[in-house]
Amino acid sequence: AQSVTQLGSHVSVSEGALVLLRCNYSSSVPPYLFWYVQYPNQGLQLLLKYTSAATLVKGINGFEAEFKRSQSSFNLRKPSVHWSDAAEYFCAVGAGGNTGKLIFGQGTTLQVKP
Amino acid sequence: DAGVIQSPRHEVTEMGQEVTLRCKPISGHDYLFWYRQTMMRGLELLIYFNNNVPIDDSGMPEDRFSAKMPNASFSTLKIQPSEPRDSAVYFCATRRGASTEAFFGQGTRLTVV
Repeated sequence: AQSVTQLGSHVSVSEGALVLLRCNYSSSVPPYLFWYVQYPNQGLQLLLKYTSAATLVKGINGFEAEFKRSQSSFNLRKPSVHWSDAAEYFCAVGAGGNTGKLIFGQGTTLQVKP
Repeated sequence: DAGVIQSPRHEVTEMGQEVTLRCKPISGHDYLFWYRQTMMRGLELLIYFNNNVPIDDSGMPEDRFSAKMPNASFSTLKIQPSEPRDSAVYFCATRRGASTEAFFGQGTRLTVV
């Protein structure tokens, strides 16, 4: 069975600082992993995805994530956060094979201080 | 493509009434998901379909909830009778294949009074 845990429901950083959002997953088969962003009153948009290629994945808006199998983690980071990055971020895991199931974490709200 | 289209965007209904939420997937996508988002419970998977067939409905909260996908172009989520605790944002998402990203609709904000 799949599960995903995001560590920290709220993260607050100053503009220009590094931000790190943590995600741990559980999957009985090699997983597909995703990070999504949700702005107020909108649907979720894909930031980046890991599908068993390179362990460091680059996404849109300067975000990147590193897959670490030994730690069952897929942490998202951005070296210099911008005020427009304030939003809610979701980590998601999909099992490999043909099950197709896609499970999301509880979300982390990113606040960017001026 | 216009993306995943959900209707209505907002729905306010009285307790006990039937509510039907609609979703038009992206053409060619063979997986369709229904999620519910609340402050308390986050983003919950209710049910998902593959090639119009329900695969896993273990997230459907109770028998008041039902979902159908009569063809590849349309899905509905029905709540009957509705209750105030059903108030949430309901998202439909679709994907092509089991390993790709899902695309989300704008959601339906349901308020049951």
